[in-house]
Amino acid sequence: GAGVSQSPSNKVTEKGKDVELRCDPISGHTALYWYRQSLGQGLEFLIYFQGNSAPDKSGLPSDRFSAERTGGSVSTLTIQRTQQEDSAVYLCASSPRARETQYFGPGTRLLVL
Amino acid sequence: RKEVEQDPGPFNVPEGATVAFNCTYSNSASQSFFWYRQDCRKEPKLLMSVYSSGNEDGRFTAQLNRASQYISLLIRDSKLSDSATYLCVVNKGTGNQFYFGTGTSLTVIP
Repeated sequence: GAGVSQSPSNKVTEKGKDVELRCDPISGHTALYWYRQSLGQGLEFLIYFQGNSAPDKSGLPSDRFSAERTGGSVSTLTIQRTQQEDSAVYLCASSPRARETQYFGPGTRLLVL
Repeated sequence: RKEVEQDPGPFNVPEGATVAFNCTYSNSASQSFFWYRQDCRKEPKLLMSVYSSGNEDGRFTAQLNRASQYISLLIRDSKLSDSATYLCVVNKGTGNQFYFGTGTSLTVIP
């Protein structure tokens, strides 16, 4: 079946611009995660959605970062006024329920010039 | 102290060798443990969950030691295709976050 998809696969933007990253989770998965992975680094948790509950935003690094999940399915991660240190791979993962195996999308490679 | 710590390696082993990785975690309340595999410039993919009694999947064996708060992964009869970075993943214990280790790099040499 279809896995997690993310778009765009690559994004180059100028410092100060806003970007939107999209994630389509596996159908029926109630949990959705966003992570960031910088070159040679581990995955950094950003935000977590579970069903209709309030999201866990504790990993968002600044108020320039926000995310939404509409209708319990598609999610969008928005970064406002991008900075060069935002350059990383942004990975989305979904799982059938909380604390279960996560299935990752291919990621969006963001480069801020 | 990091929530999850792994030896970054790199581990360079010949084909057919047995190699073991350890991972320590700091939160004694953690309940879910996984090993993921990440190939270069690819997304992480689940290798195996780690159960309290230990579990095996073909050439791969995972073990959990709650008393010492570490998990291990043993790979027997290494194949060239096993070359990748292996990520240790532990849930936060409370809440639904997961902590990822920075990974252990393995290269299997012909």
